[in-house]
Amino acid sequence: EIVLTQSPGTLSLSPGERATLSCRASQSISSNFLAWYQHKPGQAPRLLIYGASSRATGIPDRFSGSGSGTDFTLTISRLEPEDFAVYYCHQYSGSPLPFGQGTKVEVK
Amino acid sequence: EAQLLESGGGLVRPGGSLRLSCVASGFAFDKYGMNWVRQSPGKGLEWVSALSGSGGTTYYSDSVKGRFTISRDNSKNTLYLQMNSLRAEDTAIYYCAKRKRQYLSYDAFDIWGQGTSVTVSS
Repeated sequence: EIVLTQSPGTLSLSPGERATLSCRASQSISSNFLAWYQHKPGQAPRLLIYGASSRATGIPDRFSGSGSGTDFTLTISRLEPEDFAVYYCHQYSGSPLPFGQGTKVEVK
Repeated sequence: EAQLLESGGGLVRPGGSLRLSCVASGFAFDKYGMNWVRQSPGKGLEWVSALSGSGGTTYYSDSVKGRFTISRDNSKNTLYLQMNSLRAEDTAIYYCAKRKRQYLSYDAFDIWGQGTSVTVSS
């Protein structure tokens, strides 16, 4: 069973700054079946990135994903006020389909 | 526009049962695998269960295996989660989520419902 570990737990940044979020898998994820989601309180989670680096429909290009094997990164190039939220990585290469524990991006 | 709407949550005593529903609209429901994901208070997202488009293949997390049953009625565009032997640790918001591409056994979740709240307490 693959375990996903995200770091840091909390990222305190100001609007306009760059955010770099990490997701490490306990074993290699085949075909880079790794996704990133944004989740705000009271809302449905939103798919940002799938296949480790492909942006989902309607996602601004300030969001980018990279990585392969066991190490993956979500980068937000310049934080907008609406980007402050919790971000989860998620592997979907085979059951079970775990999520990471999340990284909270908060206003500094 | 593809949409999912969950219902059926509520307050239930430990050991009790509840059935959640998720009604889909705006896409060919029978062509897509579906999932249930939950979020317990103060915790992160936890995948619960998955089901193929035909309903013939199911997957469960270890935490719910043997207690929860996922199913679907494609004639009603509805996904279900039958939850039995409920425990306090099953308290959560339950979301249904659609796989991004047709027919794939595994894929990212591109459409999510707003969730339905389940509280297990005496």
